[in-house]
Amino acid sequence: QVHLQQWGAGLLKPSETLSLSCVVYGDSFIDYRWSWIRQSPGKGLEWIGEINHSGSTNYNPSLNSRVTISVDTSKNHFSLKLSSVTAADTAVYYCARGFDILTGAFDYWGQGALVTVSS
Amino acid sequence: QSVLTQPPSASGTPGQRVTISCSGSSSNIGSSTVNWYQQLPGTAPKLLIYSNYQRPSGVPARFSGSKSGTSASLAISGLQSEDEADYYCAAGDDSLHGPVFGGGTKLTVL
Repeated sequence: QVHLQQWGAGLLKPSETLSLSCVVYGDSFIDYRWSWIRQSPGKGLEWIGEINHSGSTNYNPSLNSRVTISVDTSKNHFSLKLSSVTAADTAVYYCARGFDILTGAFDYWGQGALVTVSS
Repeated sequence: QSVLTQPPSASGTPGQRVTISCSGSSSNIGSSTVNWYQQLPGTAPKLLIYSNYQRPSGVPARFSGSKSGTSASLAISGLQSEDEADYYCAAGDDSLHGPVFGGGTKLTVL
């Protein structure tokens, strides 16, 4: 059974860098691509980007300049960094396993982490 | 403002059949398969339907999906109280090279 557990800082000030991590329990890490998705009241669900076990990434163009997703395959672990945050980045952030990321098919999700950006 | 358009709310009584629509364009639904998610309060979205009409293991047959052109629908038959949740559609988008989502539909079981 696959299980995703995520953690990271929940309260940030404007201009700081958001940092979240996700560890994957199960034996499928190298077979899938791994995404970050966020959910805010104003913008709903938004795909942030994705990575595979070898470090190949794709990012949402709207966030591309501020996003970095990295991977540590030895630990079944991947991370999200979002720089220069503003109040508009306040959201619940999820890590998820994509079996067809291009179409938005994510079958396992982390528990979610609320990130609030406030001065 | 979400790329895919869903009605903000829907409702039905126990045992009824309810449908939720998802409208897009030729650059997303028109050129991609559609997936549906169910989200209970305080939890992560759960994949309900993938590739337009496929159900993951464990999802009851009461849930079904369809797609035609640039629109898709989720149907729930034999509505139950535990179906009260938010439902989201998702599809690939050519310009994004990634998925886009609907704004969600809150389903109320009366």
